[in-house]
Amino acid sequence: GQNIDQPTEMTATEGAIVQINCTYQTSGFNGLFWYQQHAGEAPTFLSYNVLDGLEEKGRFSSFLSRSKGYSYLLLKELQMKDSASYLCAVMDSNYQLIWGAGTKLIIKP
Amino acid sequence: EAGVAQSPRYKIIEKRQSVAFWCNPISGHATLYWYQQILGQGPKLLIQFQNNGVVDDSQLPKDRFSAERLKGVDSTLKIQPAKLEDSAVYLCASSLYSGHGTDTQYFGPGTRLTVL
Repeated sequence: GQNIDQPTEMTATEGAIVQINCTYQTSGFNGLFWYQQHAGEAPTFLSYNVLDGLEEKGRFSSFLSRSKGYSYLLLKELQMKDSASYLCAVMDSNYQLIWGAGTKLIIKP
Repeated sequence: EAGVAQSPRYKIIEKRQSVAFWCNPISGHATLYWYQQILGQGPKLLIQFQNNGVVDDSQLPKDRFSAERLKGVDSTLKIQPAKLEDSAVYLCASSLYSGHGTDTQYFGPGTRLTVL
């Protein structure tokens, strides 16, 4: 079966750095997406990785290792507005997105 | 550029009643998706349209759910009759192409359905 694993909840302090991990087992691989979802709102696109390595976009970076079936989202200089759920999703061989359950990130002052 | 539009934002119905949700994708986006998201879970794909044709409806409970995209633009998702377990947020998303490579999906605000 296809499976995406992420921690259910993480807590971090404003101004700090946090790393949210995602491991996956899917039928094929055509890229990995990270989305941010604030409570009661729709998911919004953060990043896309299809090749191994680190993609940096401002305060957010996303890393992929295809051989390990592993990705992480790195958030730097945390702000209170970063409190949200972070969803990892993998596009499988049929170009369908397989979604993780999301990681709820709580930022404390 | 206008985003994905959905209505209504909230709906409360009793079990066995019917309900319909509407979605208008981003202009020019050929692919439209309907997802069901239960609290604390990731989105679950119900149906995917490419223009006005169905690409994937393998997880759509066809005995009670139906969806159409007659003119290849806006779409309607219907539930008839509703069950308690249908309480969820129904998300509509759209993308330019049919899920190839960097085919990013953009989501609407969702419809929160409560079945009593």
